[in-house]
Amino acid sequence: DIQMTQSPSSLSASVGDRVTITCRISQNIDRHLNWYQQKPGKAPKLLIYAASSLQSGVPSRFSGSGSGTDFTLTISNLQPEDFATYYCQQGYSTPLTFGGGTKVEIK
Amino acid sequence: QVQLQESGPGLVKPSETLSLTCAVSDYSISSGYYWGWIRQPPGKGLEWVGSIYHTGSTFYNPSLKSRVTISVDTSKNQFSLKLTSVTAADTAVYYCARRVVTAIRYFDYWGQGTLVTVSS
Repeated sequence: DIQMTQSPSSLSASVGDRVTITCRISQNIDRHLNWYQQKPGKAPKLLIYAASSLQSGVPSRFSGSGSGTDFTLTISNLQPEDFATYYCQQGYSTPLTFGGGTKVEIK
Repeated sequence: QVQLQESGPGLVKPSETLSLTCAVSDYSISSGYYWGWIRQPPGKGLEWVGSIYHTGSTFYNPSLKSRVTISVDTSKNQFSLKLTSVTAADTAVYYCARRVVTAIRYFDYWGQGTLVTVSS
């Protein structure tokens, strides 16, 4: 199985900050990497697919980059509604796997 | 806007079979896409359980393959999950979701999730 390592596992940030979350993959997956946001008690929501494509309706302060084994999710100008847990997911091969999550908390 | 809604028992006894159904509205399953199940133990991360195409082709997580069956009923526009011989480790919120057909596999619509507790 493809292993996913997300870092950090949690972070504290303030409204207006720029936040970066990293996802490292155990093998080359080209650009087959997706990002989700999950709020407590809610289903995950797709933010970014194919490493850098913004899902329809997602604010442009969310962006993704990377290819191969190293990927980044960046939230610029962090907003109160962005405090949540973020997961990366590889879509390269089955079994589909998710990173362990990064919880973004209010400083 | 595609909508998915999980249903099924919230409590299952150890060694029994967990059965869930996902009803899809505002989109016909027969029109395409894959349809999948993802679970999340309380306080933990996400685990892909398996997916099914509208034709009935299935893909399962090898870690669960011997116990999982996913089926589709296009006449009712729904798909189902059966997980046999459950233990406490199967306690989780189970989500159904739509998976795109492209080479880059991702889930664009999700149900709200349903908590299934395995306990006697």
